[in-house]
Amino acid sequence: DGGITQSPKYLFRKEGQNVTLSCEQNLNHDAMYWYRQDPGQGLRLIYYSQIVNDFQKGDIAEGYSVSREKKESFPLTVTSAQKNPTAFYLCASSIGVRGAFFGQGTRLTVV
Amino acid sequence: KQEVTQIPAALSVPEGENLVLNCSFTDSAIYNLQWFRQDPGKGLTSLLLIQSSQREQTSGRLNASLDKSSGRSTLYIAASQPGDSATYLCAQDGGGSNYKLTFGKGTLLTVNP
Repeated sequence: DGGITQSPKYLFRKEGQNVTLSCEQNLNHDAMYWYRQDPGQGLRLIYYSQIVNDFQKGDIAEGYSVSREKKESFPLTVTSAQKNPTAFYLCASSIGVRGAFFGQGTRLTVV
Repeated sequence: KQEVTQIPAALSVPEGENLVLNCSFTDSAIYNLQWFRQDPGKGLTSLLLIQSSQREQTSGRLNASLDKSSGRSTLYIAASQPGDSATYLCAQDGGGSNYKLTFGKGTLLTVNP
């Protein structure tokens, strides 16, 4: 089955710790995105990538980093510089007229 | 800056009712307009996608329309069912060098049995 896989489903981060969220797609999509979702605020774009080895900051990139070494993979690292990382993180991919497809999300909690 | 607004923020209807969800956008250079459904704690499921050259798309009990001139899209749900209860989000994609999605905050729909 083609789709987008995010892992883990739940992630706990200690203060000052960096954590990496995984996003893998086998849809052969060029573009990939990371969104953050907080209650009442909708989805906000963190980073996006149109092609391998290229990515752009979204609206709330501070405290996050990404890489795009392979077309299929777009991992997101939440660094210690992100002061309020508790949120639901969603990864998506898209290819032109077919629209965007989303993974099932990772819920990150600071402990 | 692209902005997408969804009205109403929440809607509660009795089972069987037909309903309309609204989405308005500020950027007329729209590429795709996509409607999603999100169940609590889950990812987004794509419902319908309307390309800029199209005016509407239909899937089962769902019909989505697009009016670029007025900057509006509507999602029509016929004969609503309790299983339709979810948050519905619309998003626009500017295409080309501006392919990133801009989302509305969603409409929380509750269909009461």
